[in-house]
Amino acid sequence: QKEVEQNSGPLSVPEGAIASLNCTYSDRVSQSFFWYRQYSGKSPELIMSIYSNGDKEDGRFTAQLNKASQYVSLLIRDSQPSDSATYLCAVNYGGATNKLIFGTGTLLAVQP
Amino acid sequence: DTEVTQTPKHLVMGMTNKKSLKCEQHMGHRAMYWYKQKAKKPPELMFVYSYEKLSINESVPSRFSPECPNSSLLNLHLHALQPEDSALYLCASSHPGQNNEQFFGPGTRLTVL
Repeated sequence: QKEVEQNSGPLSVPEGAIASLNCTYSDRVSQSFFWYRQYSGKSPELIMSIYSNGDKEDGRFTAQLNKASQYVSLLIRDSQPSDSATYLCAVNYGGATNKLIFGTGTLLAVQP
Repeated sequence: DTEVTQTPKHLVMGMTNKKSLKCEQHMGHRAMYWYKQKAKKPPELMFVYSYEKLSINESVPSRFSPECPNSSLLNLHLHALQPEDSALYLCASSHPGQNNEQFFGPGTRLTVL
């Protein structure tokens, strides 16, 4: 059973702080990793993709991947109240199964 | 045009109705997906089409019937639904292959009375 685990939160951070979101996955053959942001009542929005070990930065967002430890994280610098949302980690196991496995999501609340 | 569109945005139907959800993408993607999402849960995969052929059916009840008329369009036909089928129905698309970066449409909020 392939699993993706996230802390459901809520994770509460003050405005301007760094928010750190973590995700672990169970299957070592995982190849692609994604972070989606989902506002209440809206659809998931892809914000970061990462495929190789290390860090990937895009604006205020940094994704970190460690395949040996089977975890992926998302850092949000200078957090804003508009970042308050549920963040979903998704893992693609590739091969013949063209599907993403989603974690349950972490609710982030940025306090003004 | 780099988005996935879905119609209608909201749908209310009775248990004896037949309705269809529609999805369209102009991203040149050849894989399209239907997901169901209940409140405070992650999206749950229902169907995958790859190159217009159904490649994954996640044991979805037959009251949900997918159709992929061409590479840009995906439909979900609904018949004899139950109140527990009320949810947000999401369409997504991607390039088939290793990375599988999926882009979601805005969803259809379905209520079954």
